[in-house]
Parts: sequence; C-alpha cells; structure tokens
Amino acid sequence: GAGVSQSPSNKVTEKGKDVELRCDPISGHTALYWYRQSLGQGLEFLIYFQGNSAPDKSGLPSDRFSAERTGGSVSTLTIQRTQQEDSAVYLCASSLVRGLEQPQHFGDGTRLSIL
Amino acid sequence: GQNIDQPTEMTATEGAIVQINCTYQTSGFNGLFWYQQHAGEAPTFLSYNVLDGLEEKGRFSSFLSRSKGYSYLLLKELQMKDSASYLCAVRGISSGSARQLTFGSGTQLTVLP
Repeated sequence: GAGVSQSPSNKVTEKGKDVELRCDPISGHTALYWYRQSLGQGLEFLIYFQGNSAPDKSGLPSDRFSAERTGGSVSTLTIQRTQQEDSAVYLCASSLVRGLEQPQHFGDGTRLSIL
Repeated sequence: GQNIDQPTEMTATEGAIVQINCTYQTSGFNGLFWYQQHAGEAPTFLSYNVLDGLEEKGRFSSFLSRSKGYSYLLLKELQMKDSASYLCAVRGISSGSARQLTFGSGTQLTVLP
C-alpha cells in the first residue's frame, strides 16, 4: 500500500496480558517512530528506529514496553503485563531521512483498551 | 526539557479566517511542523517551518519566530471539513536524537455553518 499500515486497528485485552502491535512503514522509509496518544493528549514519543543504528528508546515508559524492527521494515511494539493506564491509541510513523524537513507519515493507529 | 503550548479549543464560522497559536520551549531547534488530525484518523502533515517568516500553501499558512519561540497556523476561507485537531510539533534535540518530534496537545477547531 501507499501509506503506513498498522494492525490491528482495535485491540481489547485483559489487564496482565501481553499485546503485540504491528507497523508496516512506507516502502523506502528508513526511519520509523512509535507514539502513544491518550484521550485529549498530544502524541507521546516512545521509540525511534533508523536503519541499522541502535534504536532511540528514550521514550519507553517502562521495561514492560519493547519494540523491534526486523529487516529494516516491519516493526512490532510489545507491551507485557498490560495495565489499564496503557489504554491509548498507538501510532506509528515513518519518514525519509534526507534532511530534517522530511515529515513523518502516520498510520491510522491501534486503539488499545485494557479491561 | 521541552514544552509546547497551544489552545485546547477554538471555534470559527465557515468562510472566516482563524489563527491557531503555538509557543514552545525546547532544547535546540530543528524545525516546527503542523499536522491536522480528524477524529479517529492519522495525523496528516500540513506545513514545516525552520526559518523565520511565513510559509503559504493554499488556504493554509504557517508563521515562525524563532527568537520568540512562537508559531501560528492560519486557515483562510474555512470549510466544514477543516473541523479537526491541529497539532504543533517541534523537532529539537533530545536524548541525542535530532529527529524526534515533541507534540503539543492539539487545538480542536470546530467550524460552524
């Protein structure tokens, strides 16, 4: 597809379960970002991948959160032992890295609800 | 630290002009972005400013003053479809990554007939 694809679009799970969220970036985009958006809040940076460099994990809120990017393309964000405060929309974005003016292109997000 | 401030809500009338302000305090500055986000949808890129001045793109314009840490998004000839949240985001220097964006909480614009 032409845009960033995320799956699932919605996920409802019980507290304490693990969840995996998937992001398929735009072809050719080497930079990939994960954000979290809580109701009425701005986007909170989680993690950034660029090519084969070590990811910038400075935004991950706890060690229950992890992410990987295989083959420089698809990325998965994993939340272990989910808590109710993890409920949010998780957005993935990708961009080119030629120049800082390159905008990030967002997927529609995964709406995660923890019961 | 980084801090982005923008009004929570604004209301305007179809056909009018509205200005959405954004003030920021960041560690370093590598550009400011405006995004539009309709409810339940992905944010979409509107504009980028890195130098002082006005960037015009159709009905939308964006202004930047780096010395004042201030930007605004100007929407002309408002249409009902412009009802959305408008996100201001600054690319600063944080934790060694020059590509992170710090987002404001967004301004929810409602356009009335």
